[in-house]
Amino acid sequence: EDKVVQSPLSLVVHEGDTVTLNCSYEVTNFRSLLWYKQEKKAPTFLFMLTSSGIEKKSGRLSSILDKKELFSILNITATQTGDSAVYLCAVPSGSARQLTFGSGTQLTVLP
Amino acid sequence: EPEVTQTPSHQVTQMGQEVILRCVPISNHLYFYWYRQILGQKVEFLVSFYNNEISEKSEIFDDQFSVERPDGSNFTLKIRSTKLEDSAMYFCASRDRGGAVLEQFFGPGTRLTVL
Repeated sequence: EDKVVQSPLSLVVHEGDTVTLNCSYEVTNFRSLLWYKQEKKAPTFLFMLTSSGIEKKSGRLSSILDKKELFSILNITATQTGDSAVYLCAVPSGSARQLTFGSGTQLTVLP
Repeated sequence: EPEVTQTPSHQVTQMGQEVILRCVPISNHLYFYWYRQILGQKVEFLVSFYNNEISEKSEIFDDQFSVERPDGSNFTLKIRSTKLEDSAMYFCASRDRGGAVLEQFFGPGTRLTVL
């Protein structure tokens, strides 16, 4: 059974801090790893990573994948209160590429 | 920007009643999914739908559940006889063609409360 484990489960930081969120996975037929941000409701897509060692970047957020060690990290620099959310890691699996999600990391950024 | 929409945003029902949750996926997408998230728990896959049929389903998706794409735009999830444990947030998602396009885009969800 495919598995995604995220750490830490929760994190409280102050504005301006840099955070690193971790995601490790076990999947039968790896295709990609996806990061989502979940605020009040729906997960919103952040990144998809398919190749090892290539950083994806969007503003203050960046992510990298290590296919040998089976993990990914999501970095957020100069955090803002608007970054407060649950960050979800997911891998597509099965014939329909349905997503298997981790439990998420609850990030709280204090002013 | 195109988005997935869902109605209603919140549904309250009595145990044993039937509910239908509705979704309008992004218009040129081909693959459709339902997920649920019980409060405080992980997002879990329920079912996927492609080419007018179920392509994969999880253990959660038992005979009480069904999905339908009645026309070219709507995608529905029906729960025939709701149980207390069906209370959850239900998300619809869609994705473009197959191959390497694996990003799924989620709707805002329907919060189902079974009393």
